[in-house]
Amino acid sequence: KAGVTQTPRYLIKTRGQQVTLSCSPISGHRSVSWYQQTPGQGLQFLFEYFSETQRNKGNFPGRFSGRQFSNSRSEMNVSTLELGDSALYLCASSLGPLAGDTDTQYFGPGTRLTVL
Amino acid sequence: GIQVEQSPPDLILQEGANSTLRCNFSDSVNNLQWFHQNPWGQLINLFYIPSGTKQNGRLSATTVATERYSLLYISSSQTTDSGVYFCAVLPNFGNEKLTFGTGTRLTIIP
Repeated sequence: KAGVTQTPRYLIKTRGQQVTLSCSPISGHRSVSWYQQTPGQGLQFLFEYFSETQRNKGNFPGRFSGRQFSNSRSEMNVSTLELGDSALYLCASSLGPLAGDTDTQYFGPGTRLTVL
Repeated sequence: GIQVEQSPPDLILQEGANSTLRCNFSDSVNNLQWFHQNPWGQLINLFYIPSGTKQNGRLSATTVATERYSLLYISSSQTTDSGVYFCAVLPNFGNEKLTFGTGTRLTIIP
């Protein structure tokens, strides 16, 4: 079974631009979560999607948004990029609430975003 | 929200040594996972262990849910064990999001 894939793996943008990152979950998984990892703040939850609906959201400004498609693939978008958005963005897939408390997340390799 | 603290923050060991990593959490949890992040950033699942003890090769984990801590044991360390180890928990109540600990950076010296 193929793992979680994320594209692109590396990205360099300038302040003010916008960026779209993509995540394809493990086949059969319907939940996709996004995390931001920075040296200062660690791993922080951005949002979770299940069946094309945002199920949960972390404490990030509205510049961070996401969506999920009917095939469970997900995209996240960051508009008006700031220097502080430089980070590793990780996507995780899981079965979702159907698995109950035993739901286990599997992570992709991440997209490393650098904002200049 | 729930607080998740890991100790020690950094650990440097000789190859072949054993280690114990600790994860303390401030509230009761439904779900606890241990992950290893390799030097390239990939997070690998090690254990799903909300309670009890599990073993997988040289690694084992124990969670004492009533006392709100979990331990990860690594025996006969190898250089490939280097990286950052995270525990992540899902609280019983409140916002259902996986909350990660601060991590332990393990460096194994040949």
